[in-house]
Amino acid sequence: DGGITQSPKYLFRKEGQNVTLSCEQNLNHDAMYWYRQDPGQGLRLIYYSQIVNDFQKGDIAEGYSVSREKKESFPLTVTSAQKNPTAFYLCASSFGERTGELFFGEGSRLTVL
Amino acid sequence: AQSVTQLDSHVSVSEGTPVLLRCNYSSSYSPSLFWYVQHPNKGLQLLLKYTSAATLVKGINGFEAEFKKSETSFHLTKPSAHMSDAAEYFCVVIRGPGGYQKVTFGTGTKLQVIP
Repeated sequence: DGGITQSPKYLFRKEGQNVTLSCEQNLNHDAMYWYRQDPGQGLRLIYYSQIVNDFQKGDIAEGYSVSREKKESFPLTVTSAQKNPTAFYLCASSFGERTGELFFGEGSRLTVL
Repeated sequence: AQSVTQLDSHVSVSEGTPVLLRCNYSSSYSPSLFWYVQHPNKGLQLLLKYTSAATLVKGINGFEAEFKKSETSFHLTKPSAHMSDAAEYFCVVIRGPGGYQKVTFGTGTKLQVIP
């Protein structure tokens, strides 16, 4: 079945540690996105990528980094510079600007201890 | 600029009664409008979408929404609530074609269904 796979589903880290969240899609989508979700704030865009080897900052990119070496993969690193990293992270993909519809993974919940 | 306002953060209905989740939008372009549903600790699933075809859009699980340009609204309705409808619902606006699509999410409406 085609879809988006995020891992791990739950992750705990100590303050000062970097952590990488995985996002893989087999939908042959060009565009991929990372969102952060906090209670009562909806979804906020961290980074997005429209093609391989290219990505742009979203609204809250500080303290995060990404790479897009393959079309299928868009990992997100939460660095120690992110002041409040505890959140639910969602990866999404789409065909690009034409269809609009976003397809979401199941999310990764990061807790900083 | 574009924005999305979900008018209620929480809605509570009894099982078997109608559901109304309200969404107003603002966009400088002809928008595409979506409703997504999210169950706890899950990703978002598309319920329905409006992309400038019929103004009354039917989605999955008996939901539908009507695009009203004059009122800049895209309210989500269902004639009869089921317990499995309890979830959070997001209204989403996506800017018109060309270039990177600007995606704007509402802040969500939590639907509680009372037995």
